[in-house]
Amino acid sequence: GAGVSQSPSNKVTEKGKDVELRCDPISGHTALYWYRQSLGQGLEFLIYFQGNSAPDKSGLPSDRFSAERTGGSVSTLTIQRTQQEDSAVYLCASRVDRGEINSPLHFGNGTRLTVT
Amino acid sequence: AQRVTQPEKLLSVFKGAPVELKCNYSYSGSPELFWYVQYSRQRLQLLLRHISRESIKGFTADLNKGETSFHLKKPFAQEEDSAMYYCALTRAGGSRLTFGEGTQLTVNP
Repeated sequence: GAGVSQSPSNKVTEKGKDVELRCDPISGHTALYWYRQSLGQGLEFLIYFQGNSAPDKSGLPSDRFSAERTGGSVSTLTIQRTQQEDSAVYLCASRVDRGEINSPLHFGNGTRLTVT
Repeated sequence: AQRVTQPEKLLSVFKGAPVELKCNYSYSGSPELFWYVQYSRQRLQLLLRHISRESIKGFTADLNKGETSFHLKKPFAQEEDSAMYYCALTRAGGSRLTFGEGTQLTVNP
């Protein structure tokens, strides 16, 4: 079936504007993750969803960042009042949660955000 | 806290040479370790995981709990192995996957 889908693939926005990034996980995957990929910073964890709830949102860098997930499927990452340091590739990943067995993450192609 | 360290940001080898990408971790409990790979213009994907004890594309990685390492090795590198490699850790049965900063491997002809 289809993989993890993210939209838009590229987003250029002006400093101070709000942006919304969308993620469609693989059907049936209960766990969903957001990561940020910056040059020289590796992959930075942002938030994790299990179903519609977020038991771990400790990676969100500030209160300008928020995320939600509805219907146990689509997730939206919102960044308010964007700053230049928010420029990065935002990756979404999903996986089947099998309890004790850590199934692999399936990543989307990411959204490249550029704040001018 | 979970932490993954990949000391080399860049690694360059010649085709046919052995390659080792280093990964060290810190975690007090029972970890599960993974290697993910991102080829040029492709999405990030799982390469291998320590609990499977498998060899994928000629790569192997052994978990050394004494040295807290999970180095990725291949005896004879190929040009198509050129990619960004990330080491990642989670606790057994856990949910959050912590990644290292990545190593960009270039295999020269």
